[in-house]
Amino acid sequence: NAGVTQTPKFQVLKTGQSMTLQCAQDMNHNSMYWYRQDPGMGLRLIYYSASEGTTDKGEVPNGYNVSRLNKREFSLRLESAAPSQTSVYFCASSSRFEQYFGPGTRLTVT
Amino acid sequence: DAKTTQPNSMESNEEEPVHLPCNHSTISGTDYIHWYRQLPSQGPEYVIHGLTSNVNNRMASLAIAEDRKSSTLILHRATLRDAAVYYCILRDGMKTSYDKVIFGPGTSLSVIP
Repeated sequence: NAGVTQTPKFQVLKTGQSMTLQCAQDMNHNSMYWYRQDPGMGLRLIYYSASEGTTDKGEVPNGYNVSRLNKREFSLRLESAAPSQTSVYFCASSSRFEQYFGPGTRLTVT
Repeated sequence: DAKTTQPNSMESNEEEPVHLPCNHSTISGTDYIHWYRQLPSQGPEYVIHGLTSNVNNRMASLAIAEDRKSSTLILHRATLRDAAVYYCILRDGMKTSYDKVIFGPGTSLSVIP
């Protein structure tokens, strides 16, 4: 099993550009999540999806949109990137008691 | 949502036990205590969880206070690979997702050779 995979691993954007971060899991989990982690900080929840077809806002949703394409895939879109969105983005999925994280996408917005 | 308090950083010598404390004075009866760790440049990984009784697994032990207002993650023999940020989080056991879970800054553990 690959677990949780994310693409791309690294990305540099100019202010105002858009991009989509892809995430997929092969563990048949209902719940999936997007977090961001700024240097020296803990994880902050951007959006989550408790099941296929549903999405909800987390702590810091402004500037982001998500799509739960199917049970496996959960994508995060930045419509107009800003320097404040420079961060490491982690996707995760969870069973009842464990959360599994992907390797992260390092995004720099200049 | 109940929150946790952890020291910002701790140090340990290699091959010695490490006790990582966590305070959660507003824990509710259905909250499970979970620990995750994050190695440098990686995503967090699950370590252990418990409700009331002490728990052991291959990675660590979790000691939970009788009043459940605090807990301690115990690494029995620290190795250099255990240098990471350790997160103590509370999760409502009645829920099926982690949507309200808050990851604070955690404890940064340094292991000295």
